[in-house]
Amino acid sequence: EVLLLESGGDLVQPGGSLRLSCAASGFTFSSYAMSWVRQAPGKGLEWVSGISGSGGNTYHADSVKGRVTISRDNSKNTLYLQMNSLRAEDTAVYYCAKLSGSTSYSRVDNWGQGTLVTVSS
Amino acid sequence: EIVMTQSPATLSVSPGERATLSCRASQSVTSNLAWYQQRPGQAPRLLIYGASTRATGIPARFSGSGSGTEFTLTISSLQSEDFAVYYCQQYNNWPPGTFGQGTQVEIK
Repeated sequence: EVLLLESGGDLVQPGGSLRLSCAASGFTFSSYAMSWVRQAPGKGLEWVSGISGSGGNTYHADSVKGRVTISRDNSKNTLYLQMNSLRAEDTAVYYCAKLSGSTSYSRVDNWGQGTLVTVSS
Repeated sequence: EIVMTQSPATLSVSPGERATLSCRASQSVTSNLAWYQQRPGQAPRLLIYGASTRATGIPARFSGSGSGTEFTLTISSLQSEDFAVYYCQQYNNWPPGTFGQGTQVEIK
């Protein structure tokens, strides 16, 4: 069974930083691309970042480009999202997502339960 | 940058009736289109991929169709557990994971 367990969500002040983690199990982690998808309170889904199975290719949405870095440690089966210069509009539940293939141009097959990031003073 | 537009924003349907949801892409995504269901307080789950293939464990009352820029999700006979928000997502063009804004299916 595929399991994705996010952690690291917290209340942080504007301009602050946070690192989200996603511990994966139940599949060969390095064979699949992964993504972060967020959902602001009462809003729809927004793709944030994607990374290939090898970690060699990363993509970020324009809304977070320059402030966010996606990475992975295939030896630890863990996905990360480093978030800097946080803004109020980054407040959302952040979902870890396992894609169907090795590239970011793939559907989401599995979702974690999400971790809440709140940016507020 | 590709834009995905879903309609209607809200669909009111009686249990047992048919629901038809639409998703339009601003440029062709071929058949690289997925549909997800999100129930209140839950993470989304994959329903349909490749525009028309049901994901594992998804009931046959869910069906998808379309290609290029126009797509449809049909729920043939709505059950109580189907009242939820539905999102389409393209995975063909940049940005690689663009979602539509969602359609809320509510009880009439």
